[in-house]
Amino acid sequence: EDQVTQSPEALRLQEGESSSLNCSYTVSGLRGLFWYRQDPGKGPEFLFTLYSAGEEKEKERLKATLTKKESFLHITAPKPEDSATYLCAATVPGQPLIIQGAQKLVFGQGTRLTINP
Amino acid sequence: DGGITQSPKYLFRKEGQNVTLSCEQNLNHDAMYWYRQDPGQGLRLIYYSQIVNDFQKGDIAEGYSVSREKKESFPLTVTSAQKNPTAFYLCASSIGPSRGGPKNIQYFGAGTRLSVL
Repeated sequence: EDQVTQSPEALRLQEGESSSLNCSYTVSGLRGLFWYRQDPGKGPEFLFTLYSAGEEKEKERLKATLTKKESFLHITAPKPEDSATYLCAATVPGQPLIIQGAQKLVFGQGTRLTINP
Repeated sequence: DGGITQSPKYLFRKEGQNVTLSCEQNLNHDAMYWYRQDPGQGLRLIYYSQIVNDFQKGDIAEGYSVSREKKESFPLTVTSAQKNPTAFYLCASSIGPSRGGPKNIQYFGAGTRLSVL
């Protein structure tokens, strides 16, 4: 069964204290690994997509990395505005593929990150 | 501005009532999706559509119905058969790799929170 697991469930850091969020996956035929940020009461906002082991992407204080079994979201010197829930999702082929336009995303349960000033 | 619009933001359902959640996109995306989000759980796929007049069941389709009569619109009906409808409902869309651009990225609307009276 395709599965995505995120850890920890919640993480509280002081402003400036760097850390990493983990996303481990067991999916057949991984097409891509996605990170989203979700603020309370809002829809997820796309951050990164990674397609192959060894790939890295960066955006401001965030860097996402991918291995064959897991992905990490590294946050460097975080600020209070980085507080949010971070979601990880893996893409597996949807059925049926007509125009390959729809791909099923399997989501983890998220990591709730709080940055204290 | 291009984007995905969900309405209403809040919705209340009475016992035995069907309710319809609206999702409209002006991104010219082919694929659209409906997810359900419950506290402490990952997003779960209800239905998805790759093209007009076609849609497929996701992992938790029972008690829900959809239509895709226009490319821009993908409404979700929560029927009286759905016994536990209280949740945050998210609509998403993606362009698909067949039409170029970043492939498979799903972009989300702001969500509709459904509660039972």
